[in-house]
Amino acid sequence: EAQVTQNPRYLITVTGKKLTVTCSQNMNHEYMSWYRQDPGLGLRQIYYSMNVEVTDKGDVPEGYKVSRKEKRNFPLILESPSPNQTSLYFCASSRPGLDYGYTFGSGTRLTVV
Amino acid sequence: KQEVTQIPAALSVPEGENLVLNCSFTDSAIYNLQWFRQDPGKGLTSLLLIQSSQREQTSGRLNASLDKSSGRSTLYIAASQPGDSATYLCASKAAGNKLTFGGGTRVLVKP
Repeated sequence: EAQVTQNPRYLITVTGKKLTVTCSQNMNHEYMSWYRQDPGLGLRQIYYSMNVEVTDKGDVPEGYKVSRKEKRNFPLILESPSPNQTSLYFCASSRPGLDYGYTFGSGTRLTVV
Repeated sequence: KQEVTQIPAALSVPEGENLVLNCSFTDSAIYNLQWFRQDPGKGLTSLLLIQSSQREQTSGRLNASLDKSSGRSTLYIAASQPGDSATYLCASKAAGNKLTFGGGTRVLVKP
């Protein structure tokens, strides 16, 4: 089944403790992206990657890091999480161009206390 | 910068009534427009994808139209059911594969 898999689904952590949210897709998509969703603010892009070893900032990149060492994986790293990073996070993938839509993962609910 | 707007933010209808959900965008230079469904606290499920050269797409009870010249897309859900209760999001894909989301319309279908 074609899908984007995120782990973990739920995570509660403490301020300052480094964490990684994994994202993997099995569709051989070139393009991958991370979003956060907050009440009243909608979905905002954090980082994106056009292909292996090519990443760039989205609209709200502060406090996050990403890497794209393999085409299928695009982990989101929070080096020193803070309470304002409590949010619902989504990973998504797509092929470039007119014909392709996005496939989203099931989301990761992160709480930073 | 692309801006995508969905009005109304919330909608309540009795079961069986047809749903009409609106999406407007400011920049018509889009690759495609995608409609998603999101249940509370859950992921985004893709419903329909309309390419920029298309006028509409249909899947079962769902029909989505696209009018690039006026910057509008409409999602029609025929004969609504309580199971259709969810938030519906539209998103435009443009150059650089940038996806811009609307704020969503929260739908409640009352039995």
